[in-house]
This record gives sequence, structure tokens and C-alpha cells, in this order.
Amino acid sequence: DTEVTQTPKHLVMGMTNKKSLKCEQHMGHRAMYWYKQKAKKPPELMFVYSYEKLSINESVPSRFSPECPNSSLLNLHLHALQPEDSALYLCASSQVGRQVQETQYFGPGTRLLVL
Amino acid sequence: QKEVEQDPGPLSVPEGAIVSLNCTYSNSAFQYFMWYRQYSRKGPELLMYTYSSGNKEDGRFTAQVDKSSKYISLFIRDSQPSDSATYLCAMSREYGNKLVFGAGTILRVKS
Repeated sequence: DTEVTQTPKHLVMGMTNKKSLKCEQHMGHRAMYWYKQKAKKPPELMFVYSYEKLSINESVPSRFSPECPNSSLLNLHLHALQPEDSALYLCASSQVGRQVQETQYFGPGTRLLVL
Repeated sequence: QKEVEQDPGPLSVPEGAIVSLNCTYSNSAFQYFMWYRQYSRKGPELLMYTYSSGNKEDGRFTAQVDKSSKYISLFIRDSQPSDSATYLCAMSREYGNKLVFGAGTILRVKS
């Protein structure tokens, strides 16, 4: 099973709302990622969790707050977003380790619209 | 200069054609090379991965890596309209989990 699931598929929120995106994988991967993808652009890395600890934050604004409750789940909490934050938010997971090929498997994404 | 360069296209080919997609890169530290396919409004799907230099074949797809030239390719044989998508190359260093993506090439296969 190489599936990463994400909920919800679509989300519309106002600038004062608080919402959360969820991601789940059952491949035993110990690294999980959040990416943001704008139309006709490649994914941009936001956060990396390795063994449930935040290892990379690509200078993301604090209105995005990641959380990794356990090795299978990854959340992205959203608060006070701006219209320019509208995008496809992708979750990915991979194995971790020097000798292990670090292929990332992506979920289908959550399409977010901020009004 | 971007770390990974990829022609965004679009590339239009007739059904049955052999498609060649390419990326160049500047950082010799990259060791893992991947190709992802992304259909419109969907997440990227892993197609091929290669560690270091060499070729890898999977069905109609062949991935090539030439580290001496810092050049990677994806060949699609007998292309089908269902292959129409954006193809993203991606690569990472030996240590760490950060993928660097190319801009993506839009491929259109016409029946």
C-alpha cells in the first residue's frame, strides 16, 4: 500500500477562520512533509517531520502551524490566512535513512480557497 | 540560476510517439533522481526513481541519469492520450530529505 490520504479534498475559509488539514499514511514511513503548490508551479516545501519531530521549517509564516501527533498522522492548522495562501496543499511521506532511497509519496492534496 | 532547470513546454506529440523529457541541474551533491506525473488538480504520482547514474526501465518508461553532464531524462514509448499530464523531475542529496523540483513539463498526447 503506497497510499497517502488527505482530508478534506476541498476547503473554503474566511480570513478569520481556524481550520485544519489532515494527512495519514500507513506505510511505516517516519518522515512526513507539507508542500504548497500554486497553479502551474512545482510544489514548494513548507515543513518536514522526521520521527515525529519538526526537522525543517522553510520560513513559513506562523499562521501555518504543523503538528505530528504520531508516526502515521500529520496535521496543518490554519489561522488568519490571506487570499494569497489559496493553493493546493500536499502531504507526502518517505522512509528515513542514509542507505534508504528517500522517495516521497504524495497524497492527492487539499485545494484551499481563502476568501 | 535555478538548481534544477526544466522546460515547462507544453510539449505536444501524436499518439504512439516516443517522448523525451529532460532536466538539468547544477548541484553535484544530488544523488537521488525522481520523476513524478501530476494530472490536473491531483497530487504528484511517483513514476520512476534512480539512485546515482544509470538507466532504469519500467514498462513504457525509461529513466536515465548522467551525473557527469548533470542531466536526467525520462523517455515514454508508445505514448497514449492518458499520458497527458505535467511531468516533474525531482532530486535530493544523499543526506537529508529535501526534494528539489523542476518547474514541470506539460505533455499533451493527441489521438
